[in-house]
Amino acid sequence: GDSVTQMEGPVTLSEEAFLTINCTYTATGYPSLFWYVQYPGEGLQLLLKATKADDKGSNKGFEATYRKETTSFHLEKGSVQVSDSAVYFCALSDRGNTGKLIFGQGTTLQVKP
Amino acid sequence: DGGITQSPKYLFRKEGQNVTLSCEQNLNHDAMYWYRQDPGQGLRLIYYSQIVNDFQKGDIAEGYSVSREKKESFPLTVTSAQKNPTAFYLCASSMEANTLLAKNIQYFGAGTRLSVL
Repeated sequence: GDSVTQMEGPVTLSEEAFLTINCTYTATGYPSLFWYVQYPGEGLQLLLKATKADDKGSNKGFEATYRKETTSFHLEKGSVQVSDSAVYFCALSDRGNTGKLIFGQGTTLQVKP
Repeated sequence: DGGITQSPKYLFRKEGQNVTLSCEQNLNHDAMYWYRQDPGQGLRLIYYSQIVNDFQKGDIAEGYSVSREKKESFPLTVTSAQKNPTAFYLCASSMEANTLLAKNIQYFGAGTRLSVL
């Protein structure tokens, strides 16, 4: 079945460092891809999305490009802040017309001042 | 403010007891979802509902039950048959629009943390 694999965390960075969180997927067809973020004690929020190959999603300085050839959707940010500390989830849309999402296991990011 | 409200924030279950987690949304969304979150395992889908009076099992429905009598509400009952209920439970909703992308953009509540006494 379809699945998402993320790099294991926690990822610990100093403020203003460059961030990459790897995400690869296995899917039949052409799913939409998403990054959601979960701040401490809260639910998830959509961070960015991409619906087809070579699309780049971006929001709040974060970017991710839908790479069909490598089945990847890596999350990047040029300069992280302490406020970016959170858990990041990569997800893909389920094949059926249900709106279901398949999530990766999440990657914890800790940014130190 | 539009959003999803989950209550309570913390819940404790005794052995053999059923407990119900509340989820209410005022976003006028048709579809609603329940997820279970365990450390290191991401989110797993328990049940989902695309329309009032209809719902489907997700990947880990055993030991759980739901109802969808109103568009705004999608309560989850954790029954005594669920032997390992300790987890963080998240409710979400999305538009039942014509495009799949609109359905996939889910809005989440702040969650309920369930523990066993």
